[in-house]
Amino acid sequence: AQSVTQLDSHVSVSEGTPVLLRCNYSSSYSPSLFWYVQHPNKGLQLLLKYTSAATLVKGINGFEAEFKKSETSFHLTKPSAHMSDAAEYFCVVSDKLNTGFQKLVFGTGTRLLVSP
Amino acid sequence: DGGITQSPKYLFRKEGQNVTLSCEQNLNHDAMYWYRQDPGQGLRLIYYSQIVNDFQKGDIAEGYSGSREKKESFPLTVTSAQKNPTAFYLCASSIAGGPGSEAFFGQGTRLTVV
Repeated sequence: AQSVTQLDSHVSVSEGTPVLLRCNYSSSYSPSLFWYVQHPNKGLQLLLKYTSAATLVKGINGFEAEFKKSETSFHLTKPSAHMSDAAEYFCVVSDKLNTGFQKLVFGTGTRLLVSP
Repeated sequence: DGGITQSPKYLFRKEGQNVTLSCEQNLNHDAMYWYRQDPGQGLRLIYYSQIVNDFQKGDIAEGYSGSREKKESFPLTVTSAQKNPTAFYLCASSIAGGPGSEAFFGQGTRLTVV
């Protein structure tokens, strides 16, 4: 089964400084990977996804992630944090069931705190 | 506006009672999902449906039931057999359940057992 590990439960940055949220995956085949963001008491919104095309994936709100097969990593970055980036971020891998149907497997989340 | 609507936003239930969470989508998606979210545990899959009239158990289906009688509707019942039902419940849909399919989420229902 596929899995993801988010290496930090909390990350604190100052506004205007870079953001790095780390994610490692485990997959027996070429995976599809996603980053989702969740603001308090809200649903999840897709930031970006990797599906075996370009290894550097650009998403919304200035976020990007790089797929590194040799390191089994899919870290999320942003050059300059904004106060509105404060939220919880989930790294997600797709897991293919016997029927061919895709199930999304979520990491435990990283809470990003942004201070003025 | 296209999207997924979950209702109610907040729900209180007495112990021993069943309660049904509503999820409706107008995105014309075939696949729909129910997830449970607890602090520090990410999202865990309760049930999913690949297409109308299909209904499959996910990783934590015990104590839950549901149906998929219409393409746009995917209700979930939290039964009295669910031992720890207090959680944030999220409904999602995708065009199809193939690799790389993006899931779209509703705003969630927070269930509290009192």
